[in-house]
Amino acid sequence: DAMVIQNPRYQVTQFGKPVTLSCSQTLNHNVMYWYQQKSSQAPKLLFHYYDKDFNNEADTPDNFQSRRPNTSFCFLDIRSPGLGDAAMYLCATSRVMRQPQHFGDGTRLSIL
Amino acid sequence: AQTVTQSQPEMSVQEAETVTLSCTYDTSESDYYLFWYKQPPSRQMILVIRQEAYKQQNATENRFSVNFQKAAKSFSLKISDSQLGDAAMYFCAYRSHNAGNNRKLIWGLGTSLAVNP
Repeated sequence: DAMVIQNPRYQVTQFGKPVTLSCSQTLNHNVMYWYQQKSSQAPKLLFHYYDKDFNNEADTPDNFQSRRPNTSFCFLDIRSPGLGDAAMYLCATSRVMRQPQHFGDGTRLSIL
Repeated sequence: AQTVTQSQPEMSVQEAETVTLSCTYDTSESDYYLFWYKQPPSRQMILVIRQEAYKQQNATENRFSVNFQKAAKSFSLKISDSQLGDAAMYFCAYRSHNAGNNRKLIWGLGTSLAVNP
């Protein structure tokens, strides 16, 4: 009965090779978020979608993009991963912005 | 801008004992939400407890309770009867109630809690 599902759990890619992480939800929530979390740090919000409305954080690198083709799915695209992009990437959802967020298990991205 | 401070990077507690994790925050707003999230090693981030600033009563969820002191801008988490499964990183977070882009979560740096058998 997983509600926010992230695939894959572990992803390895090569320096500069595009990679896509996926997130799906069964909660029918309006908002989907992508966070980057490095070791022993708090999550850092990259962007969020409120329905189809995309909201990018000011300090999110241009290298990071997102797509939300429908309510259930959201993708994180990293166009040219650098070594500094190795991290855990967390997807979260909430019904509306003021409601608590529900997180997936995360995808741990490694860069070779 | 709002900030959240967790002054205890690491804490430990004996199994079955009580532990309190501290969190302070800075804001000029009067209406907001405060959260404690738990992140076990290599596992999912989950919501432990939520407090709405306009409510004076402290939130409780089973063995978890908060001491919300609005004037002091303090939001501590008390874990009673600690269990081995409580070992995790605990994050305190703030969110504005106001409309607009300020609705993102503002996170503290986290407190790593160890539970000793």
